[in-house]
Formats: sequence, structure tokens, C-alpha cells
Amino acid sequence: GDSVTQMEGPVTLSEEAFLTINCTYTATGYPSLFWYVQYPGEGLQLLLKATKADDKGSNKGFEATYRKETTSFHLEKGSVQVSDSAVYFCALSDRGSGNTPLVFGKGTRLSVIA
Amino acid sequence: DAMVIQNPRYQVTQFGKPVTLSCSQTLNHNVMYWYQQKSSQAPKLLFHYYDKDFNNEADTPDNFQSRRPNTSFCFLDIRSPGLGDAAMYLCATSRDRDMAYEQYFGPGTRLTVT
Repeated sequence: GDSVTQMEGPVTLSEEAFLTINCTYTATGYPSLFWYVQYPGEGLQLLLKATKADDKGSNKGFEATYRKETTSFHLEKGSVQVSDSAVYFCALSDRGSGNTPLVFGKGTRLSVIA
Repeated sequence: DAMVIQNPRYQVTQFGKPVTLSCSQTLNHNVMYWYQQKSSQAPKLLFHYYDKDFNNEADTPDNFQSRRPNTSFCFLDIRSPGLGDAAMYLCATSRDRDMAYEQYFGPGTRLTVT
């Protein structure tokens, strides 16, 4: 079945550091890829998405590029802030599997310290 | 603002006592989802409604039921809560099943079973 694997957390960074959170996937069809963010005590929010190979999703300084050849969708940000502290979930939806809802990775907790 | 609303935000119930969680949306989306999220884990899809069409995940226990009386509202019923059902329950919507349309999440209801 479809699955998403993301790097184990927690990740602790100093403010203004560079962030990478790795995400790889397996899918039987041609998935759309997403990064969701969950701030403490809140529900998930869509951070960015990409629907086809080589697409780059971006939002709030975060970026991720859909790499079909490496089945990856790594999240990056050049300079993190304390307010970026949250749990980040990589997810896919595989249209080839017929309206399959989102499959999430286990999440990576990011803590940014001043 | 259009949004997904969940009530209550915190719910305490006794072991074996039925409980209902509520979700409403002002987005007029066709699809509504219920997820269970346990501590430090990814959200796990329980079921979803595409309009009035109910879709249960294969591994969702019979103890969990859902109702969608109209487009705007969806309820999660837990008939006999066990200690293992303590979790955050997330409601989400999407415009359609094609997941190029992202899911919009509510803030969640944290369920405690005593």
C-alpha cells in the first residue's frame, strides 16, 4: 500500500538556522504531495502542496520540490523562526488508487530556540 | 470566515458511556472526514462522507459510527468508549474527492476517557 516516511524527530534548531525535513513516499499511482503543519493545541493546516513531478510548493518561506526519480518531497526553509515550532506532517494522496484519502507520515516535531 | 468548527474542544467521558463529537463547516464542501490522532502519531482516518455516501476504513472499529444529516454537519459517535479511545479527534473537509483540493482541518476535540 501507499506510505510516507519522514525523518524522526524531534529536531531542535537555533533561530535563523537552515531547516530540512526529509520525506520519501511509495505509491502505486501518481500522487499529489503535501506538507501539513500542526501548531500546539491546534488542528492541521496545509503548508504547501505539489501535484506533479518537478513542481515546487512554497509558502511562508518553506519550500518542497516533487522529485519523482527519488520519490521524495523534502521540506526546507532557509531561516527558521521561533514561531515555526510545530509538528510537520508529510502526506500524499494517490489518485491512481481511486480517491484514496490522505496518507500521513508520522510527523516531525520542530523546536526553534531563540 | 469560512471554516471548520469542532465542538466541544475538550470532552471527558466515562468508560463505556456513549459520547458524540460534533463538526460543522461553512465551506460547503462535499467531503467530510474524521481522523483519530493519538499522542505523537499521525492522524488515522476513521471514515469519510462524500456527500451522503459513507465510506468506512477497513480497520475502523464498530464502536465508531458517524452521521451526516446535512452538508454542513457531521457527527462522530463512540458507542462504548474504552481507555484506548482517548485521543484527539480531527474533522476535515475537502471540496471534492480529487485530492488536488486540499483538506481543511478543524481544531480538534480532545477526548479523555475516565
